[in-house]
Amino acid sequence: GAGVSQSPSNKVTEKGKDVELRCDPISGHTALYWYRQSLGQGLEFLIYFQGNSAPDKSGLPSDRFSAERTGGSVSTLTIQRTQQEDSAVYLCASSRSQGGYEQYFGPGTRLTVT
Amino acid sequence: DQQVKQNSPSLSVQEGRISILNCDYTNSMFDYFLWYKKYPAEGPTFLISISSIKDKNEDGRFTVFLNKSAKHLSLHIVPSQPGDSAVYFCAAGPSGTYKYIFGTGTRLKVLA
Repeated sequence: GAGVSQSPSNKVTEKGKDVELRCDPISGHTALYWYRQSLGQGLEFLIYFQGNSAPDKSGLPSDRFSAERTGGSVSTLTIQRTQQEDSAVYLCASSRSQGGYEQYFGPGTRLTVT
Repeated sequence: DQQVKQNSPSLSVQEGRISILNCDYTNSMFDYFLWYKKYPAEGPTFLISISSIKDKNEDGRFTVFLNKSAKHLSLHIVPSQPGDSAVYFCAAGPSGTYKYIFGTGTRLKVLA
């Protein structure tokens, strides 16, 4: 079966531009997560969606970051007015249910802000 | 403040020998622990987990040990194989959470 997919796999953008990162979770998975991994760091939680509940946005580092999940499936993470410190690998994961212990990760989007 | 620490950024082991990857945590509320493996250009994949009601969980060549009093867990791989070469992340959190805290990873290299 299809796993979690993310696009693009790589994105190079100029400082100040907006970017959109896409995640297609595994079909039927109700929980979706976004993480960021900066160089030499662990995975940093950004946002969590569960079904139709309000998302947990507590990990978003600034108001330049936003995410939405349409129809309980595809999710888009948007970064406005990108800064160099936004350069990182952005990982999406999904799981079967809330607090699902086993999260299935996509391959990530490597974002480079120049 | 890192609540989950993997103090060894890298580890090299000969094929057939034991690999031991370590992880320390500081939050006493954490009672569920996971290990993920990550190959280059791929997302992490779940490997094994342990609840605080146990001190050991085994799955094939992989065993996770939990020492609650020391707030320490370790992943043992026996015997190590070249295909085990990857970055290993530990993660921890309270049971039922969706916000696991991840360590920075240990890069394991198994030498043939």
